Amino acid sequence: DGGITQSPKYLFRKEGQNVTLSCEQNLNHDAMYWYRQDPGQGLRLIYYSQIVNDFQKGDIAEGYSVSREKKESFPLTVTSAQKNPTAFYLCASSIFPGNTEAFFGQGTRLTVV
Amino acid sequence: AQSVTQPDIHITVSEGASLELRCNYSYGATPYLFWYVQSPGQGLQLLLKYFSGDTLVQGIKGFEAEFKRSQSSFNLRKPSVHWSDAAEYFCAVGETQGAQKLVFGQGTRLTINP
Repeated sequence: DGGITQSPKYLFRKEGQNVTLSCEQNLNHDAMYWYRQDPGQGLRLIYYSQIVNDFQKGDIAEGYSVSREKKESFPLTVTSAQKNPTAFYLCASSIFPGNTEAFFGQGTRLTVV
Repeated sequence: AQSVTQPDIHITVSEGASLELRCNYSYGATPYLFWYVQSPGQGLQLLLKYFSGDTLVQGIKGFEAEFKRSQSSFNLRKPSVHWSDAAEYFCAVGETQGAQKLVFGQGTRLTINP
């Protein structure tokens, strides 16, 4: 079945450590996105990629990094520079950027302990 | 800059009552508009979308939405809600110029009273 897979579903990290969230899609979509969700704040865009080997900062990119070496993969690294990393992270993809619907993964809940 | 506003953070309706969730957008070009639903701890599921044509669009689970260009609105409606409709609802606009990305509203949490 086609879809987007995020792993792990739950992730715990100690302060000061970097952690990488996985996002894989087998939908052959060009565009991929990372969103952060906090209670009452909706979805805020962290990074997005319109094509392989290209990505752009979203509204809250500080403390995060991404790569897009393969079309199907768009991992997100939460670095120690991110001051408040505890959140629910959602990955999404769409056939083309902007004008087509996005398909979402099930999310990763990151908790800093 | 483009933006999406959902004025209602939380709405409570009784089961069987009608529902309307508001969405206003600010975007200079022709918007591509979406409504998504999210159950707790889950990803988002597309309810419906508007790209062009008929301004009243039908979606899944009995939902519909109406695009009103003059009001920059894309409100979501359902004639009779069910307890299973309790969730969070997000309106989004797809940019087709410039950055070409999706911008989401803050969401409306829907509670259903029995």
